[in-house]
Amino acid sequence: AQSVTQPDIHITVSEGASLELRCNYSYGATPYLFWYVQSPGQGLQLLLKYFSGDTLVQGIKGFEAEFKRSQSSFNLRKPSVHWSDAAEYFCAVGAGNTNAGKSTFGDGTTLTVKP
Amino acid sequence: DVKVTQSSRYLVKRTGEKVFLECVQDMDHENMFWYRQDPGLGLRLIYFSYDVKMKEKGDIPEGYSVSREKKERFSLILESASTNQTSMYLCASSSGTGDDEQYFGPGTRLTVT
Repeated sequence: AQSVTQPDIHITVSEGASLELRCNYSYGATPYLFWYVQSPGQGLQLLLKYFSGDTLVQGIKGFEAEFKRSQSSFNLRKPSVHWSDAAEYFCAVGAGNTNAGKSTFGDGTTLTVKP
Repeated sequence: DVKVTQSSRYLVKRTGEKVFLECVQDMDHENMFWYRQDPGLGLRLIYFSYDVKMKEKGDIPEGYSVSREKKERFSLILESASTNQTSMYLCASSSGTGDDEQYFGPGTRLTVT
């Protein structure tokens, strides 16, 4: 069975500081990995995804993530955080077209940005 | 752009009522999902559907049922609402072509009193 762990429930950073959100997954084969963002009162929006190829993937809003197979990790990074990045972030692992495209989501990390 | 819409943003129902939550997607996606989201518990899958009239239970199906009569529409039904079903409900869809990125609706915040 696949699973996702986001070790940090809540992270606070100052505006302009760098950000790294951690994600560890458990999956038997090559995973499909995603990061989603949820602004208050909204649904989730995809930030970026990894299926294969280059292990450093670029996403929207200046985010990037690096797939590290040896560490079973897919950490999300941003070099300089903006106040508008305050939101909840979810890491997810999927199985591709098997299993009806189901993804398993982590419990989320809430990001607070200090002025 | 893919659009997933949900029939209500906020809903207040009484205990014991039958509740319908509707979700519509406009991108001809094969797969559709219903999640509930509670603080500290992340997203939990209630039911999903991989084709018209096809459905499978997710992780927490108890107290819920679903209906998918048309490809674009996936309904979540609470047969007899209870206070512990007060939650945010999120609908999502994915193409079913191997790229299982999910597209989410804005959510329905349901309160059962």
